[in-house]
Amino acid sequence: GAGVSQSPRYKVAKRGQDVALRCDPISGHVSLFWYQQALGQGPEFLTYFQNEAQLDKSGLPSDRFFAERPEGSVSTLKIQRTQQEDSAVYLCASRGLSYEQYFGPGTRLTVT
Amino acid sequence: KQEVTQIPAALSVPEGENLVLNCSFTDSAIYNLQWFRQDPGKGLTSLLLIQSSQREQTSGRLNASLDKSSGRSTLYIAASQPGDSATYLCAGNAGGTSYGKLTFGQGTILTVHP
Repeated sequence: GAGVSQSPRYKVAKRGQDVALRCDPISGHVSLFWYQQALGQGPEFLTYFQNEAQLDKSGLPSDRFFAERPEGSVSTLKIQRTQQEDSAVYLCASRGLSYEQYFGPGTRLTVT
Repeated sequence: KQEVTQIPAALSVPEGENLVLNCSFTDSAIYNLQWFRQDPGKGLTSLLLIQSSQREQTSGRLNASLDKSSGRSTLYIAASQPGDSATYLCAGNAGGTSYGKLTFGQGTILTVHP
């Protein structure tokens, strides 16, 4: 595709619900990153994939957060038993051969 | 651990002014530094990427510099326009075993008024 796409763009979840956020990277990009952006803050790293391998998940805030990229293309970030502190914008980025990262529009998650 | 700070947090200028946004980082072993623009409710748009071996990059009215020894980068915007109003973020990439993950500053909110 022309750029990184994410869905849904907005998600409202009741506390305790599970959510799944999708990222479609730029075609052919091997590297995929997830970031979390709280209101008024810069994005913070969550996890990194190289093809289907999750090489770094050091930024995931708790074991309620899980990410996968089974075929090395589309990635899903899943949050189980959502809490109010999970409310944020979740950004996905992909990268080709250079170090420049290209970001999607993000998914704004609101937990009520 | 890399920490990135941006000053000022917010800036308001009249149209036509030249301006400088500042970014400082604690770990000089930086592989590259990337400047982004974020419009309200949108994702990040990459503006410039400076490799550690470079001192500056230019794109149109934008010029970014990198000084690893002092741990600083600046983004210079010439002849500002109202359409430049956005949040500007800098992010450092430590490279190597960090897999290129970015460490972001908190951003500078820029308002250019007509």
